[in-house]
Amino acid sequence: LAKTTQPISMDSYEGQEVNITCSHNNIATNDYITWYQQFPSQGPRFIIQGYKTKVTNEVASLFIPADRKSSTLSLPRVSLSDTAVYYCLVDEAGGSYIPTFGRGTSLIVHP
Amino acid sequence: GAVVSQHPSRVICKSGTSVKIECRSLDFQATTMFWYRQFPKQSLMLMATSNEGSKATYEQGVEKDKFLINHASLTLSTLTVTSAHPEDSSFYICSASTGTSGSNEQFFGPGTRLTVL
Repeated sequence: LAKTTQPISMDSYEGQEVNITCSHNNIATNDYITWYQQFPSQGPRFIIQGYKTKVTNEVASLFIPADRKSSTLSLPRVSLSDTAVYYCLVDEAGGSYIPTFGRGTSLIVHP
Repeated sequence: GAVVSQHPSRVICKSGTSVKIECRSLDFQATTMFWYRQFPKQSLMLMATSNEGSKATYEQGVEKDKFLINHASLTLSTLTVTSAHPEDSSFYICSASTGTSGSNEQFFGPGTRLTVL
């Protein structure tokens, strides 16, 4: 299982772009990278998933360098409602799947 | 999008009683359901993986006789905490997936807050 490392916390202000980087040095060839958002006392919510290069959807972008040993979640123009914990997961596309959540990054957006 | 519900959302029980938590995928068939436990200010910890019609696979350190999981259909999985004790008080979250791969998105339920007195 690829272990992930993220900053424990980050602070930002409304309207800024936030980039959260996740390290996964021992990522395997078949592993996908998935990011989830969790608000207090709620279940996590899927944000974005990628395998390589760049993926963009309506809420975020995910940048994955060629060596895939890290990934960066980019949140454009954050608002107060983006205050949450963000988790990156690295999991195998085939074989047994054991989703493993790391400690996550607590993002606080200030007015 | 896919919706997963959990019931109840909150439960308070006395020590020694059993509590059942239901997890339902409302608009899709879930090949796999996962059960997590989350203590305050900590990350989610996977307890077990449940596939429809087969026995659940428990993570190391999780007592299968204490946390009974039944995945009776492609839309319903239940977690029963038997003989609950105060240390079992936690936030229990289920998720459902249409596949057993890491590329399959997990759809999470809203969670169940269990308090054992």
